[in-house]
Amino acid sequence: NAGVTQTPKFQVLKTGQSMTLQCAQDMNHEYMSWYRQDPGMGLRLIHYSVGAGITDQGEVPNGYNVSRSTTEDFPLRLLSAAPSQTSVYFCASSRTEAYEQYFGPGTRLTVT
Amino acid sequence: AQTVTQSQPEMSVQEAETVTLSCTYDTSESDYYLFWYKQPPSRQMILVIRQEAYKQQNATENRFSVNFQKAAKSFSLKISDSQLGDAAMYFCAYRSEDGGSQGNLIFGKGTKLSVKP
Repeated sequence: NAGVTQTPKFQVLKTGQSMTLQCAQDMNHEYMSWYRQDPGMGLRLIHYSVGAGITDQGEVPNGYNVSRSTTEDFPLRLLSAAPSQTSVYFCASSRTEAYEQYFGPGTRLTVT
Repeated sequence: AQTVTQSQPEMSVQEAETVTLSCTYDTSESDYYLFWYKQPPSRQMILVIRQEAYKQQNATENRFSVNFQKAAKSFSLKISDSQLGDAAMYFCAYRSEDGGSQGNLIFGKGTKLSVKP
């Protein structure tokens, strides 16, 4: 099993550009989440999904969009990048809410 | 809403010694899960240990153990025989037993652990 994979590992965007962060898992997990990590802030939830076709907002959803067309994939879209979105982004998955989440390696995004 | 507090932004320990990282949380729920994650410089989030709130016995994983005090809402991590590879950020996290948005992790802000040779 590859676990949770994320691409790209690093990305630099200009303000106003859009892009999609990819996340995939091969463990047949129902739960998938996106977090962002900022210095001194821990990890904060952006969006999550409890299964294919079902998504919902987390703590900091503004400026991001998600969809879940398959169990395996959960892409995160930045609609119009802003410097405030400079961060490290983690995707995570778990079987259900009762189990620990497994994290991808993260994507470091810089918006100039 | 639940919150998780790690009051020690940084800690330091001598190699082979023992160190305890503190974590407190606030919740009105009776059933939940608590976790400690380790984040080394590679930035990969690695699960260290988990505790179910309904279990009175403290979880243990090799050199890592927790002191879970449910009434006090405290969940500290003890690392015994510290090794250089233990140097990392450590995050305490809470997860509700309920589904939906409550099924996601709520993190503390982390404790940076340094290990001195």
